[in-house]
Amino acid sequence: DAGVTQSPTHLIKTRGQHVTLRCSPISGHKSVSWYQQVLGQGPQFIFQYYEKEERGRGNFPDRFSARQFPNYSSELNVNALLLGDSALYLCASSFRDSRVKETQYFGPGTRLLVL
Amino acid sequence: EDQVTQSPEALRLQEGESSSLNCSYTVSGLRGLFWYRQDPGKGPEFLFTLYSAGEEKEKERLKATLTKKESFLHITAPKPEDSATYLCAVHSLDNYGQNFVFGPGTRLSVLP
Repeated sequence: DAGVTQSPTHLIKTRGQHVTLRCSPISGHKSVSWYQQVLGQGPQFIFQYYEKEERGRGNFPDRFSARQFPNYSSELNVNALLLGDSALYLCASSFRDSRVKETQYFGPGTRLLVL
Repeated sequence: EDQVTQSPEALRLQEGESSSLNCSYTVSGLRGLFWYRQDPGKGPEFLFTLYSAGEEKEKERLKATLTKKESFLHITAPKPEDSATYLCAVHSLDNYGQNFVFGPGTRLSVLP
């Protein structure tokens, strides 16, 4: 079975541009979370979505937004890119709402470079 | 504010030399503690989930334990292929809903 898939794998943008990252969860998983991982640090939680609703939000500016589609795939959007947004963006899926104890499984990530 | 720290920051072991990695956490309402392994440039690979103090889980050369304030990842007789960054994360509920906090990781190098 396919794991979590993310696209694109790599992306180069310039400051001020907009970017959209995509994620498909493991088949049967209904919850998707997004993380930002800067080189040398642990992942930082951005959002969690379950059944198209936002269920958690980390400490990120409003330039970051996300949504989940009826097929449970998800998009992360970042507006007005800054140099500091350069990072590995990770998507993780879990079977259901984490109010029930669930484990998240990660995709390979999208490497974003902002010039 | 939920916090996770990991020690040591980096660890070099000889093949077969057992050791432990530490994860200390401060969280209101722990719903789960996770261990992941991450190879350079790749997404984290799930290892263990622990839910309550006293719980232990094992997988091959790895064993994870949990207390009310910290978790340990014990590595017995490591091999070079165990070289990776090991990440600890906690899951909690805060004012904004679900929250997941990762530690900075421990970079493990196992020398042949």
